Amino acid sequence: EAGVAQSPRYKIIEKRQSVAFWCNPISGHATLYWYQQILGQGPKLLIQFQNNGVVDDSQLPKDRFSAERLKGVDSTLKIQPAKLEDSAVYLCASSATGEKLFFGSGTQLSVL
Amino acid sequence: GENVEQHPSTLSVQEGDSAVIKCTYSDSASNYFPWYKQELGKGPQLIIDIRSNVGEKKDQRIAVTLNKTAKHFSLHITETQPEDSAVYFCAASIGGTSYGKLTFGQGTILTVHP
Repeated sequence: EAGVAQSPRYKIIEKRQSVAFWCNPISGHATLYWYQQILGQGPKLLIQFQNNGVVDDSQLPKDRFSAERLKGVDSTLKIQPAKLEDSAVYLCASSATGEKLFFGSGTQLSVL
Repeated sequence: GENVEQHPSTLSVQEGDSAVIKCTYSDSASNYFPWYKQELGKGPQLIIDIRSNVGEKKDQRIAVTLNKTAKHFSLHITETQPEDSAVYFCAASIGGTSYGKLTFGQGTILTVHP
């Protein structure tokens, strides 16, 4: 069974630029999550989708972050404009039951 | 909101010894407590989980215990091996409605020396 796929693997941008991350969940998983992991910390939930609808985006900084999940499969997370404090690993996870999460390897973002 | 505290931040053991990592949580409505192992450059991988209606769960060398009254839970790894070296995260569900909405602890760097 293929795991959660994320791209790109690494991204380096300058502050105030925009960036987008892509996630392809495990086939058949209805629930998709984006987590932000700052170096030395545990992952922090940004947004949760159920199929193509947003379940919870209360911790998403909506002035600069946006996410969508078209057709209830792939998802993209965008940051515009990026700030230095956005440097982190962005993890996508999916779940069939909303219980056990399967994480991708993440996109490591460096904002200079 | 939910707050999860994890200790110790680093743990060094000799191969064959046991390792214990402890977590406390603040939200009494939390009802799902998974543990994840994260290796360098990879995403977290679920290794064991426990629900609030169970006090203990074991899977080979790994066990988790939960004390709901005290709001703390622990990971126990017996007969540690060098390949157990990684960062371990505990987590607790945010409220009681969705298991996937998790608050994570700060992580424990486990090093197993051969």
